[in-house]
Amino acid sequence: GENVEQHPSTLSVQEGDSAVIKCTYSDSASNYFPWYKQELGKRPQLIIDIRSNVGEKKDQRIAVTLNKTAKHFSLHITETQPEDSAVYFCAASNQGTGGFKTIFGAGTRLFVKA
Amino acid sequence: NAGVMQNPRHLVRRRGQEARLRCSPMKGHSHVYWYRQLPEEGLKFMVYLQKENIIDESGMPKERFSAEFPKEGPSILRIQQVVRGDSAAYFCASSPDRAGAEAFFGQGTRLTVV
Repeated sequence: GENVEQHPSTLSVQEGDSAVIKCTYSDSASNYFPWYKQELGKRPQLIIDIRSNVGEKKDQRIAVTLNKTAKHFSLHITETQPEDSAVYFCAASNQGTGGFKTIFGAGTRLFVKA
Repeated sequence: NAGVMQNPRHLVRRRGQEARLRCSPMKGHSHVYWYRQLPEEGLKFMVYLQKENIIDESGMPKERFSAEFPKEGPSILRIQQVVRGDSAAYFCASSPDRAGAEAFFGQGTRLTVV
């Protein structure tokens, strides 16, 4: 079945450093790759997404890259801040003309030390 | 737009009782997804529904769990004869019937079985 692997499970960085989270997916039909941030006790919130017709997307300090051939995609956070501390989930789905089933990675717990 | 509404936010049930979790999607959204999140773990897909139809229930346990999304009213996730292992946060997400749309999550229902 579909599977999304995410690494590392825990990441600790110093404030101002960069953080990189990597994911791989198994379903070659996947065409939509969202990233969610979940703070303790709260709902997952979409922070950035990328579609299969694009290799890279950037939004201020956050960037995502996608390698469809290798089925890899990554999240890059630059100039990290303490408020970036949270659990980050990558996900993959096959978006058709309507709804879509999204499979999530196991999550990366990011700690940004001040 | 009130967003995806889930209730109750917290639910305590004794072993053997039934749990009913409700999810009202965002206005205009016809696709609903249920996910289960165990403490310190990721989001596990359970079921994807459209109005009056179950599209994909590959993540639902074979027994005791059922879901519906009637023509009128919220989507319901029902767990019969709950056991301690059912204790988790259950998140609902919704998306519109439009290609390229993102899914939004509700606040979740935290089920505790005592």
